[in-house]
Order: sequence, then structure tokens, then C-alpha cells
Amino acid sequence: AQSVSQHNHHVILSEAASLELGCNYSYGGTVNLFWYVQYPGQHLQLLLKYFSGDPLVKGIKGFEAEFIKSKFSFNLRKPSVQWSDTAEYFCAVKGSQGNLIFGKGTKLSVKP
Amino acid sequence: SQTIHQWPATLVQPVGSPLSLECTVEGTSNPNLYWYRQAAGRGLQLLFYSVGIGQISSEVPQNLSASRPQDRQFILSSKKLLLSDSGFYLCAWESQWGVAETQYFGPGTRLLVL
Repeated sequence: AQSVSQHNHHVILSEAASLELGCNYSYGGTVNLFWYVQYPGQHLQLLLKYFSGDPLVKGIKGFEAEFIKSKFSFNLRKPSVQWSDTAEYFCAVKGSQGNLIFGKGTKLSVKP
Repeated sequence: SQTIHQWPATLVQPVGSPLSLECTVEGTSNPNLYWYRQAAGRGLQLLFYSVGIGQISSEVPQNLSASRPQDRQFILSSKKLLLSDSGFYLCAWESQWGVAETQYFGPGTRLLVL
């Protein structure tokens, strides 16, 4: 069965620290990968996505993710986090039915 | 531009009562529509999806049902709510034109069953 694993449940960082959130998926076909973010009290919104081409994908607000096929990974990175990055982050892969299969999410708390 | 609406925003219902949550999309035609549930510590789980009017596919057997009476309207229902139905319900839409599409989410409905 298709699945997505996010390694960290809760990450706490100080401002200006670097961020890397892990995501691994299990899916043997062509992968379409996504990172979504949910800021407190707001909609779930797209941060970035990978469909094909350059495995290093740049998203909004300085985030990027790297698709490593051999490791079945799609880790999210940001070189310097801000307090406003406090949110919950979800990794997802497109399933065979077109639905999104989500990881359980990682809560990021950034201390000012 | 496209927008997606959900209502109500929050709902508190007694066990055994009926449920109707509504999702509507504006600014697009023939979207694929999805209902997800986000339970605490469990991520988002697909409940139903629809590729057209009257076409509903269910991913998880449960006491919930879905209907799509109009192209841009997707309704989630239950005849008798269970405590385990509590959660955050999200509706999403995507363009019908292939699998390489992004899903866009509504604001969600927070349901508490007591």
C-alpha cells in the first residue's frame, strides 16, 4: 500500500536556524510529491510540488525540497527559519486514484 | 480565480444525530472533488472523491456518505453520528485534466461529536 512517513512529530527551532523535515514515501510508480503547510487558523496551502524534471524544487517563502528517487525521499529544507514559519507541515504523494496520501504531519515551532 | 468554500466552520453535534457538511467550488468547471478527514495525530485521510456529478468513490468504509448533486457542490453526510466521527473535515478540488495536478483545500469544518 502507498504510504508517506514523516520522521518528526514536533520540531522546535530558534529563529535563523536551518530546517530539514524528513519525508519518505512508498510508491513504485511515477511520483508526484507535495509539501503543504497549515499556519495556525489558516487553510492548508501548497508550499511546493514535484512532478518531473529538476529534483530540487523551490517553493514559496524560501522553502525547497529535494526528490531523491533512490532513497524514496522528498525532504523539505529552509536555510534560515523565521518565527512566522511556525506551522504544521504535511508531505504527500499522489496515489493511483488521484487522491493525495499524506504523512501525519510535522509541527514546527520557531522561537523568536 | 478559483475559490472553495466549506460550511459550517464549526459544528457540535450529539451522538446519533444527522450530519450535512457542504463544499462548493467557484471559478472552475468539472473539478475532481475530495473529502478528507484530519484526526488528531493521524494526518489527513481520504474519505470520498468524485470525478463528476453523481459519481462517488469511497476509500474508507464507515457511516459517512457523500453526494455530488451539482458540478461544483460536494456534500458529506451521516444519518447517525458516532463519537469517532469527530475531527477536522477538509474538502479539496483539482482540475480534471490529468493526474499531475495540485489539489486546493477549503478552510475545513471542525466537527465535535459529544
